[in-house]
Amino acid sequence: EAGVVQSPRYKIIEKKQPVAFWCNPISGHNTLYWYRQNLGQGPELLIRYENEEAVDDSQLPKDRFSAERLKGVDSTLKIQPAELGDSAVYLCASSPDRGRGRQFFGPGTRLTVL
Amino acid sequence: GENVEQHPSTLSVQEGDSAVIKCTYSDSASNYFPWYKQELGKRPQLIIDIRSNVGEKKDQRIAVTLNKTAKHFSLHITETQPEDSAVYFCAASENTGFQKLVFGTGTRLLVSP
Repeated sequence: EAGVVQSPRYKIIEKKQPVAFWCNPISGHNTLYWYRQNLGQGPELLIRYENEEAVDDSQLPKDRFSAERLKGVDSTLKIQPAELGDSAVYLCASSPDRGRGRQFFGPGTRLTVL
Repeated sequence: GENVEQHPSTLSVQEGDSAVIKCTYSDSASNYFPWYKQELGKRPQLIIDIRSNVGEKKDQRIAVTLNKTAKHFSLHITETQPEDSAVYFCAASENTGFQKLVFGTGTRLLVSP
């Protein structure tokens, strides 16, 4: 079975510019997560989707971050405008069983904000 | 909310030795504890997990033990090999009715030939 797919793998932007990340979860996985992983740290949850509904976005910085999951499959995470502190790896994960199953991660997008 | 502490931050062993990584958690209602392996520049990969109704689980050279009373769980790797070198993350679920995972800070394992 194909794994979680993310693109791009790397992105370098100037501060104040917008950036978007794309995720395609494992087929049939209705739960999708976006995490941020800072250097030397574990992943931290930003937002969780059940199908197309964002059911936990309590840790998403809503002043500059937004996300969507149209049709309950692919998802996009956007930052506008980016700040220096946003440099990190953005990981997408998916899970079956309404979020009670194992989580499988994508390869991540490494964002560098200059 | 849940808080997970992981020790040690780095661990160096000789090939063939055993390695043990320990994690503690704060929420007594946590019921799911996965371990992930992350090689440099790659995705975190689930290597083993345990639920709160089980005290120990083993899969070939890796095992996880859970002590619910003390609120700690450990990863054991026996007969280590150089390809086991990676960063290992433990995680615990918050009791929110789904697997909202809180991760530890990671252990960098180096296995020397």
